[in-house]
Amino acid sequence: DQQVKQNSPSLSVQEGRISILNCDYTNSMFDYFLWYKKYPAEGPTFLISISSIKDKNEDGRFTVFLNKSAKHLSLHIVPSQPGDSAVYFCAASAGSNYKLTFGKGTLLTVNP
Amino acid sequence: EAEVAQSPRYKITEKSQAVAFWCDPISGHATLYWYRQILGQGPELLVQFQDESVVDDSQLPKDRFSAERLKGVDSTLKIQPAELGDSAMYLCASSLTSGVEQYFGPGTRLTVT
Repeated sequence: DQQVKQNSPSLSVQEGRISILNCDYTNSMFDYFLWYKKYPAEGPTFLISISSIKDKNEDGRFTVFLNKSAKHLSLHIVPSQPGDSAVYFCAASAGSNYKLTFGKGTLLTVNP
Repeated sequence: EAEVAQSPRYKITEKSQAVAFWCDPISGHATLYWYRQILGQGPELLVQFQDESVVDDSQLPKDRFSAERLKGVDSTLKIQPAELGDSAMYLCASSLTSGVEQYFGPGTRLTVT
């Protein structure tokens, strides 16, 4: 039973446009959500996070939106740059031991 | 900038052999995690340490996998004997006790032949 789902295996956008990556979850106990970026042959890099008490968090070109009623979150990248091309993982945590449950990832390709 | 160190970066071993991976977390990070990532999947937690104590090893195949963090700093993950299905990326991450953000090392790519 996959508790964190990223239903789009891949996404392709033009440089300068907006990239929107989506994530759905099923566990109502999740109270913290994170996005990680991963380049080939490297470990995931922490990008941005959001607590369940918020509905939006912004950091530079990256904004994460959380819709608790729909159990849905999204990562917006504006403007997209070729260096943003990577696999993006959505992750969620429940409780004080901060164990992360990851989605399968979405491969973002930003074309020049 | 502080980083999580892992070695080796790549390991090829024959099935039934023993293999070990090493991780040195970011200084001051009391919590250490080992994940396994199979191609096309997200990382899955194998074991979580708080200092030298195991907090969660519910997904660790204990018949062949073992992990230790004897002095509460660096950690070793061992597989004995390795099986073909163990081929994957093994990732180590660390975090502050009070922090949910985990910082990952570069991983060890294991290939079992």
